[in-house]
Amino acid sequence: AQSVTQPDIHITVSEGASLELRCNYSYGATPYLFWYVQSPGQGLQLLLKYFSGDTLVQGIKGFEAEFKRSQSSFNLRKPSVHWSDAAEYFCAVGLSGGYQKVTFGTGTKLQVIP
Amino acid sequence: DAGVIQSPRHEVTEMGQEVTLRCKPISGHNSLFWYRQTMMRGLELLIYFNNNVPIDDSGMPEDRFSAKMPNASFSTLKIQPSEPRDSAVYFCASSLNRASTDTQYFGPGTRLTVL
Repeated sequence: AQSVTQPDIHITVSEGASLELRCNYSYGATPYLFWYVQSPGQGLQLLLKYFSGDTLVQGIKGFEAEFKRSQSSFNLRKPSVHWSDAAEYFCAVGLSGGYQKVTFGTGTKLQVIP
Repeated sequence: DAGVIQSPRHEVTEMGQEVTLRCKPISGHNSLFWYRQTMMRGLELLIYFNNNVPIDDSGMPEDRFSAKMPNASFSTLKIQPSEPRDSAVYFCASSLNRASTDTQYFGPGTRLTVL
């Protein structure tokens, strides 16, 4: 079965600083990878997803993620964080070829300080 | 588009009572998912429907939980009887098709508190 690990439970960055959120997955074949964001009191919203092709994926709100097969990682990045980016971020992995069962990581809560 | 609609947004009930959570997926979406989110266990898939048919209910915790999808525009998740450990935020999500590549669109969730 697939699994995903987000090693950082909580991260604090200054507004304007760069951001990298870590995600590692475990899956035998090529995974489908997602990053979602959850603002307080809201449901999850898709930021970006990777299935194949270019390993650098661009998403909404200025986020990008890079798939590195050798490291089994799919880290999320943003060059300059805004206060509105404070939220919880979830990495997820999906089965390829099967129905859409997606396994979510435990999330990383991002705090942005002035 | 109104997005995925869930009701109620908040539910407080006493142990032993029946609880029914409701979900209206995005029009035209063929797949519907129920998730539960807790601090301890994170986000867990409870059940998945495709074309109104339950495909995978392996995440349903026990017989106290049941889910139905009588038509393409409505689904319910019922807990009977409810217990304090059922307290969580329950999310409904829908996607256009059943492909693994399809984006899931989440509702705002129902925060359930069982006293």
